[in-house]
Amino acid sequence: EDQVTQSPEALRLQEGESSSLNCSYTVSGLRGLFWYRQDPGKGPEFLFTLYSAGEEKEKERLKATLTKKESFLHITAPKPEDSATYLCAVQERAGTASKLTFGTGTRLQVTL
Amino acid sequence: NAGVTQTPKFQVLKTGQSMTLQCAQDMNHNSMYWYRQDPGMGLRLIYYSASEGTTDKGEVPNGYNVSRLNKREFSLRLESAAPSQTSVYFCAGQREYAGELFFGEGSRLTVL
Repeated sequence: EDQVTQSPEALRLQEGESSSLNCSYTVSGLRGLFWYRQDPGKGPEFLFTLYSAGEEKEKERLKATLTKKESFLHITAPKPEDSATYLCAVQERAGTASKLTFGTGTRLQVTL
Repeated sequence: NAGVTQTPKFQVLKTGQSMTLQCAQDMNHNSMYWYRQDPGMGLRLIYYSASEGTTDKGEVPNGYNVSRLNKREFSLRLESAAPSQTSVYFCAGQREYAGELFFGEGSRLTVL
């Protein structure tokens, strides 16, 4: 059974204070690892897909990296608008409709 | 393009009542999904449809039924609502052979 564990559960940063969110996973064969952002009262918004160990992707102040057991979402010089819950999900290498298994998320708050 | 549209956005039911959550997508996705999101539990898969005419159970299917009416529409039915089904329900679409899901805004259901 696929498992995804995210840490920390909650993180409070000051504006400009860089940090990383962790996503540890167990899957029999990884097809892809996904990062989403979710704002209160909204649906998850897709950020990145990573497919193989060593891969990195960037978008503005966010950079996602992947190893064989975990992924990190690095946030550089965050701003208050980066406050949200960040979700990690894994997709198993099987079938054509490959469902995603999600972690419980990290709630990020960035203050002035 | 509206993306993935869910109706209703909010609903209050009494125990034992039935209702159907509607989902429609205009992104030409082959696969569609229904997840529920509860505090501390993350997103859990209820049912999914790999393609028009097929449906499969996810992690938490008990108490629910689904219908893939056509390529665009995927509905979720609660035949006899229970308080344990109080949750936020998300519909999502997925492109064939690509992993990322695109989510609707959610339907917030309260069962009294």
